[in-house]
Amino acid sequence: AQRVTQPEKLLSVFKGAPVELKCNYSYSGSPELFWYVQYSRQRLQLLLRHISRESIKGFTADLNKGETSFHLKKPFAQEEDSAMYYCALGGSQGNLIFGKGTKLSVKP
Amino acid sequence: NAGVTQTPKFQVLKTGQSMTLQCAQDMNHNSMYWYRQDPGMGLRLIYYSASEGTTDKGEVPNGYNVSRLNKREFSLRLESAAPSQTSVYFCASTSVWNTEAFFGQGTRLTVV
Repeated sequence: AQRVTQPEKLLSVFKGAPVELKCNYSYSGSPELFWYVQYSRQRLQLLLRHISRESIKGFTADLNKGETSFHLKKPFAQEEDSAMYYCALGGSQGNLIFGKGTKLSVKP
Repeated sequence: NAGVTQTPKFQVLKTGQSMTLQCAQDMNHNSMYWYRQDPGMGLRLIYYSASEGTTDKGEVPNGYNVSRLNKREFSLRLESAAPSQTSVYFCASTSVWNTEAFFGQGTRLTVV
């Protein structure tokens, strides 16, 4: 089965603290993985994807095929990072499968 | 560049009423999707269309129908609305060569 698991519904950190949002996936082939972000009452937008291996807004994510994980990390959280974060998997049928999301709250 | 446009932005329906949510994209994308977003449930795929002329059920298709009218447009129809369909609905599209999804601004639907 193709599945994305985000174990934390809510993650609360203080400004300047490191952040790690967890994502695990289940997929038999070679996965395409993404992180999307949704700021308050805005549309979802792509944050980053594993094939680009880039850093966006200080966030990075590394695909670990052995652990079937794609955790999102940032060394120093900012208040403007507060948002809903979704991990997503490109499915074999041309669909996109999302996790249930993690709400990140960065406190001043 | 408009991207993905959904109409309406807000809607209140009475139980049993029908309505159609419209979605259009101007990026020449092949694939289009309808998701619903509920608290604690994340985004759940209702239906998707991998290419013009095809549609497939997603995770939660019951109570919905879709039409891929042409390459640009993908509509979602609720034939007989139920309170359980109160949700925020998002349309999205992707290119066949690049599975980055572009989302509409959402439709907030309340069924009373």
